[in-house]
Amino acid sequence: EVQLVESGGAVVRPGGYLRLSCATSGFNFDDYGMSWVRQTPGKGLEWVSGITGNGGTWNGVTIAYAESVKGRFTISRDNAKNSLYLQMNSLRAEDTALYYCARGSSVCCDYWGQGTLVTVSS
Amino acid sequence: DVVMTQSPLSLPVTLGQPASISCRSSQSLVYSDGNTYLNWFQQRPGQSPRRLIYKVSSRDSGVPDRFSGSGSGTDFTLKISRVEAEDVGVYYCMQGTHWPPTFGPGTKVDIK
Repeated sequence: EVQLVESGGAVVRPGGYLRLSCATSGFNFDDYGMSWVRQTPGKGLEWVSGITGNGGTWNGVTIAYAESVKGRFTISRDNAKNSLYLQMNSLRAEDTALYYCARGSSVCCDYWGQGTLVTVSS
Repeated sequence: DVVMTQSPLSLPVTLGQPASISCRSSQSLVYSDGNTYLNWFQQRPGQSPRRLIYKVSSRDSGVPDRFSGSGSGTDFTLKISRVEAEDVGVYYCMQGTHWPPTFGPGTKVDIK
């Protein structure tokens, strides 16, 4: 059974940082691209970042970010640990959201975690 | 970035009746490999999103066959042949052809 479990969400002050983690199981992690998608309370979905799998590229790149987080967030993966990460720096109030880990990057996203809540507030 | 629009944004439906949601992209979603990476997601209240349809018309495993997707280029449609109570929620289209992927604003489906 495919499972994605996010962790690391917290309340943080503006300008602060957090590192989200996504532990996966039930599939060959190396073979899949992965994405982070966020949802502001009561609002829609926003794709935040994605990373390809197995050394593949999409539109010539292996990593991409939404414009709203570019330069502040960094996605990474540890295939040995079957885990995905999102390092979030210089956090802003508008980054407050439920952050989902999802399987797939270009062909997004057939499995989703339950999400981890990030609140940026002073 | 590619802008995705959906209509309607709110769709009250009668149980057992059909429903249709339109999705348009600001540019063609045909990728260089010839595929069109347009997905549809359902989000029931209090749940994580669930993918229903990928590459325009391919239904994900376990998705009832009353859900179907169609379209090409920049215009796409999700149809529910006969709405059931469990179909209540918000439906999003999403393109994965151009990075970054972008979602539509969502269409809220509820029962009249």
